[in-house]
Amino acid sequence: SAVISQKPSRDICQRGTSLTIQCQVDSQVTMMFWYRQQPGQSLTLIATANQGSEATYESGFVIDKFPISRPNLTFSTLTVSNMSPEDSSIYLCSSRDFITDTQYFGPGTRLTVL
Amino acid sequence: AQKITQTQPGMFVQEKEAVTLDCTYDTSDPSYGLFWYKQPSSGEMIFLIYQGSYDQQNATEGRYSLNFQKARKSANLVISASQLGDSAMYFCAMREGTMEYGNKLVFGAGTILRVKS
Repeated sequence: SAVISQKPSRDICQRGTSLTIQCQVDSQVTMMFWYRQQPGQSLTLIATANQGSEATYESGFVIDKFPISRPNLTFSTLTVSNMSPEDSSIYLCSSRDFITDTQYFGPGTRLTVL
Repeated sequence: AQKITQTQPGMFVQEKEAVTLDCTYDTSDPSYGLFWYKQPSSGEMIFLIYQGSYDQQNATEGRYSLNFQKARKSANLVISASQLGDSAMYFCAMREGTMEYGNKLVFGAGTILRVKS
């Protein structure tokens, strides 16, 4: 199974600032995903990041607020821009293992916006 | 309509007993996959078990088994011999198979499991 790491593991930020979250996979993967989990809620997909193309965003999420980079097959970043307290969530990166058809998650980034 | 429904917000189980967490799903795609994840208080999502829609046998992984009833569109998770460390939030999720659906993983609301000693 893929091992996925994320940095930072947690952060406390001021409103109006931006935070970039890094996701590293220990093997090459075609599809990477970014999820948000608001307090007490389930996971919601923000976008799918494919290497070499623009990220595909889900309804309710826009590139200006959540720009994503995918420079190679093992790495991706998600930026949370112009943050407000409503952005306080756990952000999780995920990749799909096409051999086993399973999907694994990173440890998450716990973001608090004051 | 909800794609994944978990009707039990919370469950209690006595240590060493078995527990079943319910999950029903809704899809018209003949090719799909069903997943269960465990999320302890640390927030990480731990993959537990996977069942493909074409798999003939129910999936098992150690103490975890998936009771897959395709006609009823249910994919319940059975945890045998519960341990204190099983206390966590459990999510059921589905991925529809065709690119039309984007290969996205859609999650249920989750069930909090508490194991009593």
